Amino acid sequence: AQSVTQLGSHVSVSEGALVLLRCNYSSSVPPYLFWYVQYPNQGLQLLLKYTSAATLVKGINGFEAEFKKSETSFHLTKPSAHMSDAAEYFCAVTFGGSQGNLIFGKGTKLSVKP
Amino acid sequence: GAVVSQHPSRVICKSGTSVKIECRSLDFQATTMFWYRQFPKQSLMLMATSNEGSKATYEQGVEKDKFLINHASLTLSTLTVTSAHPEDSSFYICSAPRGVAGQATGELFFGEGSRLTVL
Repeated sequence: AQSVTQLGSHVSVSEGALVLLRCNYSSSVPPYLFWYVQYPNQGLQLLLKYTSAATLVKGINGFEAEFKKSETSFHLTKPSAHMSDAAEYFCAVTFGGSQGNLIFGKGTKLSVKP
Repeated sequence: GAVVSQHPSRVICKSGTSVKIECRSLDFQATTMFWYRQFPKQSLMLMATSNEGSKATYEQGVEKDKFLINHASLTLSTLTVTSAHPEDSSFYICSAPRGVAGQATGELFFGEGSRLTVL
């Protein structure tokens, strides 16, 4: 069965430090992978996506993620954290053509300390 | 700006009443919309797929008689929580495929979400 695992429900970094949010998936077919961000009391906003093109994907707000098939991973990174990056981040996977059967990870709450 | 809009963003109701949440696609047509439910500090769970002109498809474990979904037009889907109880309190989020490419890849536009509190 397909699944998504986000390691660490809560990650805390200092402002200016590297952000690394981990996501691993399990799938028997090539996946499409997404990172979404959710600010308090808001819906989800797409950060970036991998849809079988370049394995290193750049998204909004300086975030990027690299698809590593050998490691079944799609970790999200940002070189330098800003206070405004504090939010909940969700990794999600789908397998194309399923029209919305996105499988979400449990989310990682990112806190940024001044 | 938002391309999928939900209303209301917050609603408080008494136990036993019914609440309707609207999801509209702005400036594009959505033959399919999806309703998710998010429990506090948990991930999103797909509840059902709303199909314009036909019955919704519910995920396993979701009570179709309790969560009524109507996709009345190509830009509007509604979720009605019938006879709401405190355990129905949650954050409900709708979404629609991001165009033709989105239908192929699963990429979605999400609404702002509706927080339901049942007293």
